[in-house]
Amino acid sequence: GEDVEQSLFLSVREGDSSVINCTYTDSSSTYLYWYKQEPGAGLQLLTYIFSNMDMKQDQRLTVLLNKKDKHLSLRIADTQTGDSAIYFCAEFILTGGGNKLTFGTGTQLKVEL
Amino acid sequence: DSGVTQTPKHLITATGQRVTLRCSPRSGDLSVYWYQQSLDQGLQFLIQYYNGEERAKGNILERFSAQQFPDLHSELNLSSLELGDSALYFCASSVGPDTQYFGPGTRLTVL
Repeated sequence: GEDVEQSLFLSVREGDSSVINCTYTDSSSTYLYWYKQEPGAGLQLLTYIFSNMDMKQDQRLTVLLNKKDKHLSLRIADTQTGDSAIYFCAEFILTGGGNKLTFGTGTQLKVEL
Repeated sequence: DSGVTQTPKHLITATGQRVTLRCSPRSGDLSVYWYQQSLDQGLQFLIQYYNGEERAKGNILERFSAQQFPDLHSELNLSSLELGDSALYFCASSVGPDTQYFGPGTRLTVL
């Protein structure tokens, strides 16, 4: 199966850490991604992790991957109002002679003052 | 700015009509992907082209078709439009399999 699941909403206070969770079903996925979508805008690639890694850190972003449980999380440290957006996790799927991304439903992050 | 460009930004048309959406990939990227984002279906993969050839197909309707030209730009053609085709259509490009960079999207409204 190719289902990617995320919780729909997350609300945090400015300065706190945000943790957005995702579960996926295709154990053969080699790459997993986090994209950010601001209102009226396109999808911005935030970070990605290769499936043989457990963790990846990039400035305020930390990605954790639990391959056994097929669980991916994105932690945003010191969350700012500019981080308010919808966050999508996605998994890389080989299909036929090509590939595609399968996206989760997206988590709307609201950062309150 | 991802380097992927899409035109037009907005498109308003009537049911039964045909439209063409255009995408220019990042310089050097051979793969182009099309995705549809709607409220009820979320983000869905439509089709992938690599260097002019179709490589992968998703839940793309028969009324929809795409192609990639020798200069690597791509067009998505939507015909016999229905109200339910109203959505945001994204193009993405990649040089390898690991990362796809998305354009700003074309918002299609079918009235």
